[in-house]
Amino acid sequence: NAGVTQTPKFRILKIGQSMTLQCAQDMNHNYMYWYRQDPGMGLKLIYYSVGAGITDKGEVPNGYNVSRSTTEDFPLRLELAAPSQTSVYFCASSYSQGPQPQHFGDGTRLSIL
Amino acid sequence: GENVEQHPSTLSVQEGDSAVIKCTYSDSASNYFPWYKQELGKRPQLIIDIRSNVGEKKDQRIAVTLNKTAKHFSLHITETQPEDSAVYFCAASIRSSNTGKLIFGQGTTLQVKP
Repeated sequence: NAGVTQTPKFRILKIGQSMTLQCAQDMNHNYMYWYRQDPGMGLKLIYYSVGAGITDKGEVPNGYNVSRSTTEDFPLRLELAAPSQTSVYFCASSYSQGPQPQHFGDGTRLSIL
Repeated sequence: GENVEQHPSTLSVQEGDSAVIKCTYSDSASNYFPWYKQELGKRPQLIIDIRSNVGEKKDQRIAVTLNKTAKHFSLHITETQPEDSAVYFCAASIRSSNTGKLIFGQGTTLQVKP
């Protein structure tokens, strides 16, 4: 049981490039989330999903897209990377039965230069 | 919209002293309040949580109290140790839909001096 797995761990992108951050969980959680954490700051919700085929915007969705084709995977796509997207990205998941703790992956550290 | 305020932003204590971090939430329908610890360069990890039908919960040196009337909850760490040094985040559930969404506080950097 690996929990929540994120790849890659680090990445440097040039302005205007695109990439996909991968997130997979093996806990059969229906709920999944993408956050960004800027230096010295809290967690801001980018997108979330309550199940396969269902996604919705969070607090800061601009510049990102997501898909949820399976229960296990929830990739986050950056189109036309901008310096403002330099951040640490965390994926999390939780059970759907009542309020439950969210379990986080190790994060992806992304720099846009 | 929903909001969680967390104080203080930084806290420095001597080893063995107690530390208290306080959070206030805006949504009176919030019913779940987890606390996460994040060490430098690591993922946030759940350390304790409390639901709205309970006023206090304790796990060894860590305790959380909840005052629903005042809409605030607190993390208490007793007999602090250097390994308690980290950033601590409080969070509150969002009532509006069955999504499991949480609103996080801005974090408290705790430094425990040996």
